[in-house]
Amino acid sequence: GAVVSQHPSRVICKSGTSVKIECRSLDFQATTMFWYRQFPKQSLMLMATSNEGSKATYEQGVEKDKFLINHASLTLSTLTVTSAHPEDSSFYICSVPGRRVGTEAFFGQGTRLTVV
Amino acid sequence: SQKIEQNSEALNIQEGKTATLTCNYTNYSPAYLQWYRQDPGRGPVFLLLIRENEKEKRKERLKVTFDTTLKQSLFHITASQPADSATYLCARLRGGGNKLTFGTGTQLKVEL
Repeated sequence: GAVVSQHPSRVICKSGTSVKIECRSLDFQATTMFWYRQFPKQSLMLMATSNEGSKATYEQGVEKDKFLINHASLTLSTLTVTSAHPEDSSFYICSVPGRRVGTEAFFGQGTRLTVV
Repeated sequence: SQKIEQNSEALNIQEGKTATLTCNYTNYSPAYLQWYRQDPGRGPVFLLLIRENEKEKRKERLKVTFDTTLKQSLFHITASQPADSATYLCARLRGGGNKLTFGTGTQLKVEL
């Protein structure tokens, strides 16, 4: 299976600043990666699909100008939370899908973002 | 819309007992259901996958069933151990590709 590394694991930033989160697929070339967000006691909610070589596709209700996604290579996707606000505080998780439809997904360790 | 529902109440059981977690879905049966384990502050880790045409799947102390009539999957952990304490997530494929819709998860606590 794929090994997915996410960095940083925790970040605290001031309101109004931007934060970049990296997701690396260490042993598997991923043309697609997914970004999820998880609030306390809630489910993982898909935010966007990161596509290597093309624009990301965003789920309904997710602001593309606020959550910038760049899939720079087959092993790296980044999520930048721009002009962060306290309500953006959450647990952000990236994943690399399985090689075939329906197979297991591989997740990063997650990033706990706290906006103060 | 396709929904996944899990019992949001925590499940507390004694060590050595069998834990049974429930996942219910709406609308049409997914081709696959997946189960993941999530520890606090960590990303989910894949446990088992069961296909629509499979009634049951086993892996060591884990067993998953898929009942398309009841629109339900059950996840069992036999001979449970304190190390099994975690949140268990059920997920189904949604739309095209490998996007997943997750349930809210059930927190399991195995006590000595």
